[in-house]
Amino acid sequence: EVQLLESGGGLVQPGGSLRLSCAASGFTFSSYAMSWVRQAPGKGLEWVSAISGSGGSTYYADSVKGRFTISRDNSKNTLYLQMNSLRAEDTAVYYCAKGGSSVTARSLVLDYWGQGTLVTVSS
Amino acid sequence: DIQLTQSPSFLSASVGDRVTITCRASQGISSYLAWYQQKPGKAPKLLIYAASTLQSGVPSRFSGSGSGTEFTLTISSLQPEDFATYYCQQLNSYPPGFGQGTKLEIK
Repeated sequence: EVQLLESGGGLVQPGGSLRLSCAASGFTFSSYAMSWVRQAPGKGLEWVSAISGSGGSTYYADSVKGRFTISRDNSKNTLYLQMNSLRAEDTAVYYCAKGGSSVTARSLVLDYWGQGTLVTVSS
Repeated sequence: DIQLTQSPSFLSASVGDRVTITCRASQGISSYLAWYQQKPGKAPKLLIYAASTLQSGVPSRFSGSGSGTEFTLTISSLQPEDFATYYCQQLNSYPPGFGQGTKLEIK
């Protein structure tokens, strides 16, 4: 059974940093692209970032480019999102999701999602 | 970036009704479209990919169609568990953005 478990969310001040983790199990983690998607309170879904199975290719939404860094440790079956220079508008539930065998957009169907972790940016 | 516009944004229907949600893309995306269902406080769930391919385990009352710029998600006979918010996502090119969502409520 595929399982994705996010952690690391919490309250952070504007300008601060936070690192999210997503522990994966039930599939060959290194063979699949992974993605982060966020949802601000009461709002819709926003794609944030994606990474290839090897970790060699990464993609970002313009809204987070230069501030967020996606990475993965395939030896630990764990996906990460390092978030720096956080802003109030980054407040959201952050979901990790499993993509396809390639990180091309056309393979990024998100077939399994974690339960999400809440990040609140406020002073 | 490709923009997706869903209509309607809100839909009120009864158990047993047939409902259709439309997703329009700002430029052609072939059949690179997925549909997700999200219930309050829960993660999204993949329903359909490649515009019309039903994800394993999803009831056959859900169906998708379309290509190019116009797509539809149809629920043939609404069940109580179908009342949720539905999102389309384009997968033609980065960024793989979502539509704004359609909230399906009980009439």
